[in-house]
Amino acid sequence: DAGITQSPRHKVTETGTPVTLRCHQTENHRYMYWYRQDPGHGLRLIHYSYGVKDTDKGEVSDGYSVSRSKTEDFLLTLESATSSQTSVYFCAISESEENEQYFGPGTRLTVT
Amino acid sequence: GQNIDQPTEMTATEGAIVQINCTYQTSGFNGLFWYQQHAGEAPTFLSYNVLDGLEEKGRFSSFLSRSKGYSYLLLKELQMKDSASYLCAVIDSNYQLIWGAGTKLIIKP
Repeated sequence: DAGITQSPRHKVTETGTPVTLRCHQTENHRYMYWYRQDPGHGLRLIHYSYGVKDTDKGEVSDGYSVSRSKTEDFLLTLESATSSQTSVYFCAISESEENEQYFGPGTRLTVT
Repeated sequence: GQNIDQPTEMTATEGAIVQINCTYQTSGFNGLFWYQQHAGEAPTFLSYNVLDGLEEKGRFSSFLSRSKGYSYLLLKELQMKDSASYLCAVIDSNYQLIWGAGTKLIIKP
């Protein structure tokens, strides 16, 4: 299994507070991704990174920002959490944009 | 727009064979993936098709027809542990991965 961890695994927070989720990999893969998964929607890409300090937006990037200062870490920040951001968040990695992605265990975020 | 269609839910019997279909309309094609996702867990990679034809991997096989924009995942000798959601995903011409909503497969004894 690819070495990917996410922290925290569960979080409950209040509307309006900032939240940061961390993804850490030990595989030295170039590409890292943040997805959210909601019932009926499947996986939706929030942001992705194709190298240190190189990031780009996905289809649902509003309200989210990311940073990648090291190959192994990719951070997702909800600047001011809203109830619509209650979801399960998955991080994924891949060697290239053509290769299969490997997923972390997920973070369940609840915004009250 | 880009779209991937899969049945929402399917039911099959333990020991039987089931075929899960996926049709796609995307701007270009650079490959198709199948993933398995058990409830409450992360998706795990099952198979990759980029050329037409059948790829076999143990009890699981995946088929692709690029001209028809169609793929299927075939699961043989079903086991209770195969109860999961199966996700189809296509790489488009910009190397963006487009995900289907997934098919929930229920296995009955």
